Amino acid sequence: DARVTQTPRHKVTEMGQEVTMRCQPILGHNTVFWYRQTMMQGLELLAYFRNRAPLDDSGMPKDRFSAEMPDATLATLKIQPSEPRDSAVYFCASGLGPVGDTQYFGPGTRLTVL
Amino acid sequence: AQTVTQSQPEMSVQEAETVTLSCTYDTSESDYYLFWYKQPPSRQMILVIRQEAYKQQNATENRFSVNFQKAAKSFSLKISDSQLGDAAMYFCAYRSGEGAQKLVFGQGTRLTINP
Repeated sequence: DARVTQTPRHKVTEMGQEVTMRCQPILGHNTVFWYRQTMMQGLELLAYFRNRAPLDDSGMPKDRFSAEMPDATLATLKIQPSEPRDSAVYFCASGLGPVGDTQYFGPGTRLTVL
Repeated sequence: AQTVTQSQPEMSVQEAETVTLSCTYDTSESDYYLFWYKQPPSRQMILVIRQEAYKQQNATENRFSVNFQKAAKSFSLKISDSQLGDAAMYFCAYRSGEGAQKLVFGQGTRLTINP
């Protein structure tokens, strides 16, 4: 049963600390998406990759967030320095492409910044 | 920019009954895709059903079906024979058929199933 995996599932940290979230897309999927879910904003796209190349990161605060795909089996989202307003659930999703293909979501990382 | 609106923050239904969740969207595109995702308390986002805008036939997946009205830009989800396991947040989502591949989500509808 292929699925997207994310680690850690929960993270509590203090303001100013670096946070790294990891995602393993479904094997063979060539598009990877990072979404953030908050009560106020709902679900919103932060960034996405196709064939490991970043295609859209317009939803991401560039001064503190960075997203990378070191290889086809790993995507990372880093926040440095973290702030209380970054507290949210961060989802990774992957898809086969092309346009319109279904995105399959991981279980999410619940981040709390104190 | 595309927007998705779910006008029902909460809905409830008796077990075994039928319930319909509403979704409307705004777009100037003719080629796009629509999805319903379910998010139970575990937080996992689970695909329920998808619809291609170019298809006139409404999508169906077992007890789940949609009423896709392209001219009205409406995409409602009907759940038949509701089960306790259907209790969750339901999100309607839009994806362009060209260019940006991001999903644009509605605010969600919390569905409660009464035994």
